[in-house]
Amino acid sequence: AQTVTQSQPEMSVQEAETVTLSCTYDTSESDYYLFWYKQPPSRQMILVIRQEAYKQQNATENRFSVNFQKAAKSFSLKISDSQLGDAAMYFCAYRTPRGAQKLVFGQGTRLTINP
Amino acid sequence: DARVTQTPRHKVTEMGQEVTMRCQPILGHNTVFWYRQTMMQGLELLAYFRNRAPLDDSGMPKDRFSAEMPDATLATLKIQPSEPRDSAVYFCASQLVRSTEAFFGQGTRLTVV
Repeated sequence: AQTVTQSQPEMSVQEAETVTLSCTYDTSESDYYLFWYKQPPSRQMILVIRQEAYKQQNATENRFSVNFQKAAKSFSLKISDSQLGDAAMYFCAYRTPRGAQKLVFGQGTRLTINP
Repeated sequence: DARVTQTPRHKVTEMGQEVTMRCQPILGHNTVFWYRQTMMQGLELLAYFRNRAPLDDSGMPKDRFSAEMPDATLATLKIQPSEPRDSAVYFCASQLVRSTEAFFGQGTRLTVV
């Protein structure tokens, strides 16, 4: 069974600084997707960024980028120029492209932005 | 603005009562998921449907939970009887089967006292 591990329950960063959230996963599949979701206090799950495992290039969405290391099964999220609105729980998630397609989530990292 | 709609947003009920949570997936999405979020277990899959047919409900306690899709615009999750340990946030999500992205509703926060 696939598992996703986020080893940092909490992180904090100064506004405008850069922070990296860690995620590792375990799978025997070669083709899969990885995601970072943001959950602000409103509870809404918001997709931040996705990465297809067959793509070697790391995904980027504005201030958000990932460092995808397939051999190491590592998928970290870097947030540049942190803003107060980035404060939230961040969840790493894994999914296969076929079959069940269910998301397997990590336990989450609570990110605090210090003004 | 297409979105997944869940009702109610909040529900407080007494132990032993029946609870029904509803979800309206995005129009045209043929895959619907139910997830539960708790502090202890995090986010876990309860059940999912494709083209209204249940494909996996192994995450649900069968004796008290049931999930159905009466039609393509409505998914329901029912708990009968409810117990305090069912207190959690229940999320519905929908997607197109070939899409990479699942869209989540805002969740139903259930409190069983």
